[in-house]
Amino acid sequence: QVQLQESGPGLVKPSGTLSLTCAVSGGSINSGNWWSWVRQPPGKGLEWIGEIYHSGRTNYNPSLKSRVTISVDNSKNQFSLKLSSVTAADTAVYYCAREASSGYSLGYWGQGTLVTVSS
Amino acid sequence: EIVLTQSPGTLSLSPGERATLSCRASQSVNSRDVAWYQKKPGQAPRLLIYGASSRATGIPDRFSGSGSGTDFTLTIGRLEPEDFAVYYCQLYVRSPLYTFGQGTKVEIK
Repeated sequence: QVQLQESGPGLVKPSGTLSLTCAVSGGSINSGNWWSWVRQPPGKGLEWIGEIYHSGRTNYNPSLKSRVTISVDNSKNQFSLKLSSVTAADTAVYYCAREASSGYSLGYWGQGTLVTVSS
Repeated sequence: EIVLTQSPGTLSLSPGERATLSCRASQSVNSRDVAWYQKKPGQAPRLLIYGASSRATGIPDRFSGSGSGTDFTLTIGRLEPEDFAVYYCQLYVRSPLYTFGQGTKVEIK
């Protein structure tokens, strides 16, 4: 059973860069699936940030594309998120996820990590 | 960009009752691309339904999905105490690839 675990600083200063890593266990990041980041601001709904394939190919949400970089480290079986120029609006629980085996949905999720943007 | 609108915003029901949640797309979509998730506070979203009507692994059969075109429905046959949560529909399209509805909260009446 694939398991995902997010890690990274829980507090980021405004105008700084948010950096998170998602460690994958119970399966290989080279499994032929896409790996995503999704976030949920407090009291709000889910927002997809972007995804990456083990080859390094990426797709991003156009609303965040100018500030987002997602990368993959196949040797460590993990992938990462960087979000630059953060503001309080970027405060959210950030989840990493894997597409479902059937495709077109997200079947495996990490537990999420809260990132607060504050000075 | 296709917008998903979920209704109602909140559904107040008692355990044992039937819950019917709606998700409407701003234009016709492929049923293959529609999914439903359950979200509880402090927990990750849980995939319930994919392809509009197929239950994900381990999902009880009281959960069912239906619909086509622009209108999709998640039905919970008889509400169990653990079913009180927020439910999101999701669409897989291009740019952004995954779009979510704003959610329907199912609360205990």
